[in-house]
This record gives sequence, C-alpha cells and structure tokens, in this order.
Amino acid sequence: LAKTTQPISMDSYEGQEVNITCSHNNIATNDYITWYQQFPSQGPRFIIQGYKTKVTNEVASLFIPADRKSSTLSLPRVSLSDTAVYYCLVGDRGYSTLTFGKGTMLLVSP
Amino acid sequence: EAGVAQSPRYKIIEKRQSVAFWCNPISGHATLYWYQQILGQGPKLLIQFQNNGVVDDSQLPKDRFSAERLKGVDSTLKIQPAKLEDSAVYLCASSLSPDKETQYFGPGTRLLVL
Repeated sequence: LAKTTQPISMDSYEGQEVNITCSHNNIATNDYITWYQQFPSQGPRFIIQGYKTKVTNEVASLFIPADRKSSTLSLPRVSLSDTAVYYCLVGDRGYSTLTFGKGTMLLVSP
Repeated sequence: EAGVAQSPRYKIIEKRQSVAFWCNPISGHATLYWYQQILGQGPKLLIQFQNNGVVDDSQLPKDRFSAERLKGVDSTLKIQPAKLEDSAVYLCASSLSPDKETQYFGPGTRLLVL
C-alpha cells in the first residue's frame, strides 16, 4: 500500500487560497488519489479524486504532476467553515483497503 | 437521499462489558465498512462487507470484535469484552461498490470505556 505524508497542520485566513500537498512516493500504477474532509464529531466526507493532471469540482481542485509522487489539494477562497481535517488517500479501485493517515488539520481564521 | 444511519451516538461502558453498534447504509449500497477512529488519528478499517460476505477483516481484533451483515443490508459491530483502549469513535461507511471513489460515512458512535 502506498504510504502518504502530509503536513500535520496548516493555518489560513478567510478568503485565501489554501494548498495542501501530499507525498506518495511509492504510488502504484493502478492507484488513484482521493481526498476526504472531516469536521469534528462527523464522519469523513469525500472531496475529490484524481489519477493524473488536474481535476476540478465545485469544492476543490486536485493537481497531480506527471510522476504522480505527490498531489496538491487546492481550496479556493476558504471560509471559517473549511476548518477541518483533510485526509489524502492512495489506493486502487478494487478490493484493496484505503488507509487513512493522521491528516492535515486546517484552521481558518477571520 | 438518506445518509448512513448509526446508533447509538454515544455509549459509556465499563471495561469487560459488552457493547453493540448498529449501522444502516444508504439504500442500494452493496459495500459496507466499519472503521475505528481513535482521538487524533485517522480512521482505521476494521472490516469490509460486500453484500453479506466479508471482503477484508484483517485488522479486526477477532478475539473481542465481531461483525455481521446477515441480510446484506444493515450491520452490527460487537465488542465483547471491552478494553480501555477500545475507547474511540466507530464509523460506518457504505459505497455502491468496492470501487473506492466515494465512501459515505455515518456520524459515528462515540464509545468511552471506563
């Protein structure tokens, strides 16, 4: 299973763009990169998934370089409600187990 | 669309007692997962069901934990007997298929073992 490394915490202010980078040096050919968001006292919530280049949805963008050894979750113009823990996961789409790390605690201040 | 339902939301028990958690996945979701989340850590998969069959239970402490999904719909996770280190949030998630694109999580059951 590909191991991921991401910062333990990040701070930002409302209205700023936040980029959270995840390293996954031993990502396999069949692996996808998925990001989840978790608020206190709630279960994680799917944000975005990608395989290569760039993926964008209504919530975030995911940038994946050609070597796929890292990825960056980009949150445009964050608000206080974006304060949460963000998890980067790597795994294939079959029956393999997704492994959550400790995630990145993002604190957005006024 | 109703989300994943879990009950109870909170449970306090003494060590060596038994406890059971219930999960009702999103209608039509064939795959169901139970996770354990200890404070300050990410969720750890305990068991994964595909319909009523077990796909992965490699991280389930089988000497004290058990889970079932008899009719392929709702599921129960049991701990017997509980230990102090079992204090955690137990999360249930479901997905349409084993494809990991989107797992939908319930609110979790917070367990405190005294």
